Amino acid sequence: KNQVEQSPQSLIILEGKNCTLQCNYTVSPFSNLRWYKQDTGRGPVSLTIMTFSENTKSNGRYTATLDADTKQSSLHITASQLSDSASYICVVSDRGSTLGRLYFGRGTQLTVWP
Amino acid sequence: EADIYQTPRYLVIGTGKKITLECSQTMGHDKMYWYQQDPGMELHLIHYSYGVNSTEKGDLSSESTVSRIRTEHFPLTLESARPSHTSQYLCASSEGTELETQYFGPGTRLLVL
Repeated sequence: KNQVEQSPQSLIILEGKNCTLQCNYTVSPFSNLRWYKQDTGRGPVSLTIMTFSENTKSNGRYTATLDADTKQSSLHITASQLSDSASYICVVSDRGSTLGRLYFGRGTQLTVWP
Repeated sequence: EADIYQTPRYLVIGTGKKITLECSQTMGHDKMYWYQQDPGMELHLIHYSYGVNSTEKGDLSSESTVSRIRTEHFPLTLESARPSHTSQYLCASSEGTELETQYFGPGTRLLVL
């Protein structure tokens, strides 16, 4: 069964600290993996996209890693800010373009305290 | 910021009423989607469209219907709302390329009393 599991379910950190969010998936065949940020009451916004051949992808203070062999990904946030408080969603696609479908994780709810 | 809009943002309505959730995008994307999301849960695809006059049901069974008469417009209709329809509804669009990014609207929070 194709699934995407994220951990932890929720996380509280102090402003300025780093954190790492985890995503494990069983989706096969694998096409790509994305991390989205969803602010409360808003739609998700794409942070990174990685294909099978990519190990890491950065977007500012966000760095995503992918290990396609172990089917694991992580999202590392450096020097957290209050605006990083949001839900971070891992999404895996089983194929590209017209034939592909997306599998969504339930997200990690991150709260950054001052 | 993506150019995709949803109205209304919030809706409280009584059981049995007919409602239409609006979604429009100005990016010229052929592919559009409707997702349902409950608090703390994953997004579930309920409808999608690959272009004008093309609509398909998604993975989650839904009593809603959609139409795609114009590229930029993808409304979702509930003929008779029930409390079980209470949820957040997210509209998205994408370019249709292999590494397509879906751009999401702000969502409509629906409460059916």
